[in-house]
Amino acid sequence: KQEVTQIPAALSVPEGENLVLNCSFTDSAIYNLQWFRQDPGKGLTSLLLIQSSQREQTSGRLNASLDKSSGRSTLYIAASQPGDSATYLCAVPRGGNQFYFGTGTSLTVIP
Amino acid sequence: NAGVTQTPKFQVLKTGQSMTLQCAQDMNHEYMSWYRQDPGMGLRLIHYSVGAGITDQGEVPNGYNVSRSTTEDFPLRLLSAAPSQTSVYFCASSLWKNHQETQYFGPGTRLLVL
Repeated sequence: KQEVTQIPAALSVPEGENLVLNCSFTDSAIYNLQWFRQDPGKGLTSLLLIQSSQREQTSGRLNASLDKSSGRSTLYIAASQPGDSATYLCAVPRGGNQFYFGTGTSLTVIP
Repeated sequence: NAGVTQTPKFQVLKTGQSMTLQCAQDMNHEYMSWYRQDPGMGLRLIHYSVGAGITDQGEVPNGYNVSRSTTEDFPLRLLSAAPSQTSVYFCASSLWKNHQETQYFGPGTRLLVL
């Protein structure tokens, strides 16, 4: 069974800082990896999807990298803003139509 | 497009009661799924469907039933609610192209079983 881990569980940074969120997975046979954002009491919003053949994907201030061989992905957020405060989750699909999620990193950006 | 919609937003049940959580999408997505989200455990897949008439079990299917009679709708049924089913339930959908597509999530249903 695929295990997806996100460390740290919570992170607090001052506004303007660059930060990195980590996601690790145990089975490297993945098709892609997705990063999601979840605001309190809300559903998940997809941020970035990295195909297994890609190493990076960028959207605005967000940059996600994928290293399948080491079982790791990072989400880099540049020039953080209070509006970035949310929980960030990574997810990987696997054979058998299963999707596995990490437990998330709760980010607080302090004005 | 309304995207993925879920009803109700919040529900309180007594142990042993039954209910159906509704999920609908208007994006003509083949793949639909149900997750539950619990503190410290992340999202876990309950059931999923790759098209009308096709459903399968996920990681935690016990106590839940699903059906997929149309592309748009994917209801989740609790036949006899238990306190362990207290959770937040999310429905998701995506195009089904070899896992290459983004998942879209509904706003969730918060369920409390007393």
